[in-house]
Amino acid sequence: RKEVEQDPGPFNVPEGATVAFNCTYSNSASQSFFWYRQDCRKEPKLLMSVYSSGNEDGRFTAQLNRASQYISLLIRDSKLSDSATYLCVASRGTYKYIFGTGTRLKVLA
Amino acid sequence: GAGVSQSPSNKVTEKGKDVELRCDPISGHTALYWYRQSLGQGLEFLIYFQGNSAPDKSGLPSDRFSAERTGGSVSTLTIQRTQQEDSAVYLCASRLGLATYEQYFGPGTRLTVT
Repeated sequence: RKEVEQDPGPFNVPEGATVAFNCTYSNSASQSFFWYRQDCRKEPKLLMSVYSSGNEDGRFTAQLNRASQYISLLIRDSKLSDSATYLCVASRGTYKYIFGTGTRLKVLA
Repeated sequence: GAGVSQSPSNKVTEKGKDVELRCDPISGHTALYWYRQSLGQGLEFLIYFQGNSAPDKSGLPSDRFSAERTGGSVSTLTIQRTQQEDSAVYLCASRLGLATYEQYFGPGTRLTVT
């Protein structure tokens, strides 16, 4: 079992739709969690950190459920430009980060 | 300001040859990571440098892989006697320091071993 698991998708959604991704992690000691976005043949870029209380940044909302060991990302009012692969990340210790294999999102016109 | 840069952007090499990949982190960033990303796979941690501390080499897949970071800045990842399974994108990332989380990635080096 991988330490960080994601549904690879692809998720094909129409513009304006709301879409949610989940990610599970197996290391209960993980302290920090993140979502990164990776466009095709580009480097990953930090989308948002995930806090226990949940956090929102515009159309994006991230939630952490420690009891069930999963994090989620909700995207509202999807734009064509949201099409990308979303990588879930959990920390291991103070500096090591474990990346999931990513969930592909395609927003359709 | 300048981001993380990597060179070369693409490298094609024959099986058995050695290759050197270079990473220039963001100026002032004390932490530097190397990752490998194969097609359809997540980022695989290879090695971590933090300041002058001994690097964490626990992710290097074999003794053919080595990395150094000179003067706390530029890093080179060396793969000796390359194999076809070494073909991947090698990504470098830097981080300001232990008190920060965000990693800034370079554009990667796409390595193809023929």
